Amino acid sequence: EAGVAQSPRYKIIEKRQSVAFWCNPISGHATLYWYQQILGQGPKLLIQFQNNGVVDDSQLPKDRFSAERLKGVDSTLKIQPAKLEDSAVYLCASSLVREGPNNEQFFGPGTRLTVL
Amino acid sequence: LAKTTQPISMDSYEGQEVNITCSHNNIATNDYITWYQQFPSQGPRFIIQGYKTKVTNEVASLFIPADRKSSTLSLPRVSLSDTAVYYCLAYNFNKFYFGSGTKLNVKP
Repeated sequence: EAGVAQSPRYKIIEKRQSVAFWCNPISGHATLYWYQQILGQGPKLLIQFQNNGVVDDSQLPKDRFSAERLKGVDSTLKIQPAKLEDSAVYLCASSLVREGPNNEQFFGPGTRLTVL
Repeated sequence: LAKTTQPISMDSYEGQEVNITCSHNNIATNDYITWYQQFPSQGPRFIIQGYKTKVTNEVASLFIPADRKSSTLSLPRVSLSDTAVYYCLAYNFNKFYFGSGTKLNVKP
């Protein structure tokens, strides 16, 4: 079974530029999550989708971050414009179900973003 | 939101059993306790999940007392490859919080 795919793996941009990350979840997984992980900290949930609907985006900085999951499969996270403090690893995860038990999340390898 | 509290770091030696305790005083009735492992430059990986009493799988055991305000992840006979950060979460499908985790360092 293929895992969660993310691209690109690395990205370096200047502040005020835009950047987009792509995620393809495990086939059949209805729930998709985007996390931001700053060095030395645990992952912070940015947004959670159930199929193509948003169920939680309370920690998404909506003035500069946006995300979509058209057709309920793959997803894109965008930052526009980027700030220095956005430098982090952006992780995508998916799960078969939202409610426990068995709501195990499968994580992708992440995209390491450096904002100069 | 059921936040969790874990030790920042722990040291162990190869072959020892390691127990990492997590406190979750305001756990909700329908929250499950879930542990993830994260190696450097990788995304977290699910280890084990439980609701009460004891759960065991091929890599770990999870002990949850009756009041569910804490839980203990037990790793039997650790090896160097178990050096990683371990996160405890208490959630069902609502808001959840990874925290900073416990950095386990296994020494030879």
